[in-house]
Amino acid sequence: DSGVTQTPKHLITATGQRVTLRCSPRSGDLSVYWYQQSLDQGLQFLIQYYNGEERAKGNILERFSAQQFPDLHSELNLSSLELGDSALYFCASSVAGQGIADTQYFGPGTRLTVL
Amino acid sequence: AQSVSQHNHHVILSEAASLELGCNYSYGGTVNLFWYVQYPGQHLQLLLKYFSGDPLVKGIKGFEAEFIKSKFSFNLRKPSVQWSDTAEYFCAVNAPGGNNRLAFGKGNQVVVIP
Repeated sequence: DSGVTQTPKHLITATGQRVTLRCSPRSGDLSVYWYQQSLDQGLQFLIQYYNGEERAKGNILERFSAQQFPDLHSELNLSSLELGDSALYFCASSVAGQGIADTQYFGPGTRLTVL
Repeated sequence: AQSVSQHNHHVILSEAASLELGCNYSYGGTVNLFWYVQYPGQHLQLLLKYFSGDPLVKGIKGFEAEFIKSKFSFNLRKPSVQWSDTAEYFCAVNAPGGNNRLAFGKGNQVVVIP
């Protein structure tokens, strides 16, 4: 157990819908990262938050957004869902946001299936 | 941006065989290097990491990796695998001094036959 929690574990929804994925980082970690794992793209970085502020953006679609709350948990919002959004979404956390040798610890993931 | 290459996506071997997985990255500056393992149906777990110092790093479960700067490589090894090592292995890199986003390789699916 890495100490990073994610809910829900599984999510099945229809095209065009909107879903919210939730992540709680390890105690003491200020950074939260979101990654998408799909068969064709592999593991791709989506977005990073550090202490409530967006720190870096990767291959994140405009239909996707995220935020980090004062208690440091984070939510990833996916809207206007398409079949191709079906994937495993991982959250990771680390102590720092940048600039130092830092290790990311991953949560169990949310498996999203869009029908 | 960093990129990571892992070859031989599917590896099948017998118990007690030795395992070596290659990882090459492209980035001209200083990097942090990681190997993560994903057991079937589970999340990514850190096997080992290299930040600086001794280029030969030892991780959990008998794994080790060697950083060769001149070859931009960080290969993973285990002298004698067990059935429980069946998993997918990912090499990842990030650049200290910038944001900490990880760039992952495509992974190696390793199957160990009892």
